[in-house]
Amino acid sequence: DAKTTQPTSMDCAEGRAANLPCNHSTISGNEYVYWYRQIHSQGPQYIIHGLKNNETNEMASLIITEDRKSSTLILPHATLRDTAVYYCIVRVRRVNRDDKIIFGKGTRLHILP
Amino acid sequence: ETGVTQTPRHLVMGMTNKKSLKCEQHLGHNAMYWYKQSAKKPLELMFVYNFKEQTENNSVPSRFSPECPNSSHLFLHLHTLQPEDSALYLCASSQNRDDYGYTFGSGTRLTVV
Repeated sequence: DAKTTQPTSMDCAEGRAANLPCNHSTISGNEYVYWYRQIHSQGPQYIIHGLKNNETNEMASLIITEDRKSSTLILPHATLRDTAVYYCIVRVRRVNRDDKIIFGKGTRLHILP
Repeated sequence: ETGVTQTPRHLVMGMTNKKSLKCEQHLGHNAMYWYKQSAKKPLELMFVYNFKEQTENNSVPSRFSPECPNSSHLFLHLHTLQPEDSALYLCASSQNRDDYGYTFGSGTRLTVV
């Protein structure tokens, strides 16, 4: 089961910052948070990941709360091409096996012109 | 283009047919994955390969048979499928099994009739 909770859908005006929340209250201390998105008719696209510190790359910023129970993905200047389903994922640690990322239902983000 | 190419993009097959899905990556990655995305269901991991060796089979029925002849190519052989196997089948790759920032292909849309 996915260890995250996200809103089903969100709207954001074009040109504004899109802030996508995610709750992961049962996250363990050594489990990373990953974000992917899936644009219609395409495969998922990796965006960013983090453990404790805030992270930024050319696509987005990831803000993780100090208690690590929630995080926010920020798209600083949303465009129509950012319309997609955004998945917040906890990389689950498993004993004697590789870690696993489990996709949930995600947040459907609509960028409005 | 993501660097992961899947063919065909669309496939319709009867329940008695045998077909194969192909995935090719030009990224120099060593790990490759098959995922299934059914309508209104989250992505499900099916198989993981690392340096051509299968490292995970997520309880996938034997009517799905993966093959990884080298680190750049991954196949999914299909036989005697059921209508409920209709889905989007996605291939992904990553630098190695510890890299969870996957690069996905665009998928093969499979319809079983």
